[in-house]
Amino acid sequence: KAGVTQTPRYLIKTRGQQVTLSCSPISGHRSVSWYQQTPGQGLQFLFEYFSETQRNKGNFPGRFSGRQFSNSRSEMNVSTLELGDSALYLCASAGGSVTDTQYFGPGTRLTVL
Amino acid sequence: AQSVTQLDSQVPVFEEAPVELRCNYSSSVSVYLFWYVQYPNQGLQLLLKYLSGSTLVESINGFEAEFNKSQTSFHLRKPSVHISDTAEYFCAVSPRATDKLIFGTGTRLQVFP
Repeated sequence: KAGVTQTPRYLIKTRGQQVTLSCSPISGHRSVSWYQQTPGQGLQFLFEYFSETQRNKGNFPGRFSGRQFSNSRSEMNVSTLELGDSALYLCASAGGSVTDTQYFGPGTRLTVL
Repeated sequence: AQSVTQLDSQVPVFEEAPVELRCNYSSSVSVYLFWYVQYPNQGLQLLLKYLSGSTLVESINGFEAEFNKSQTSFHLRKPSVHISDTAEYFCAVSPRATDKLIFGTGTRLQVFP
């Protein structure tokens, strides 16, 4: 099976812009979670989608949003970018049960100038 | 709420020496426990997990971790490390009712020849 894919792998934006990141889960997986990884804050949970519905949400401002499509692919959007949004954004997919292993993609590295 | 503490940010060790990476957690609800590994410029890979049953869990590459409920710990051990084990290791917990992973700050294992 193909693994989790994330596009683009690298992105450079300027403050105030918005960005959309994409994640394609492993075939058959219905749950997609997003995480932000920074040197200062480490790995932080953003949100999780299951069957096109947001099932869990972390403590991030409303500028961070996401959605999931009927084929389980997910997108994450960040509006009004700030310098502090520079990070590695990781997507993970799982079958949907809480005991299922989450498989991570390689991440999208976002740099905000 | 849950939190994870990885007591050592860096652990230097010589090849073939034993190693222990420490992880303690705090949670008001029952959790599942995980160790993930991140090799340079790659995403996270699951190393091992504890869901229930035997408190000692093993990975295919010689790592093991023991769940200690009284000490709320899930330390990772390997009796003899290899150069290829050089990576960052993350301990994580997940509340049993959700897919949300809460990560520690990571331990960078550096194996020297």
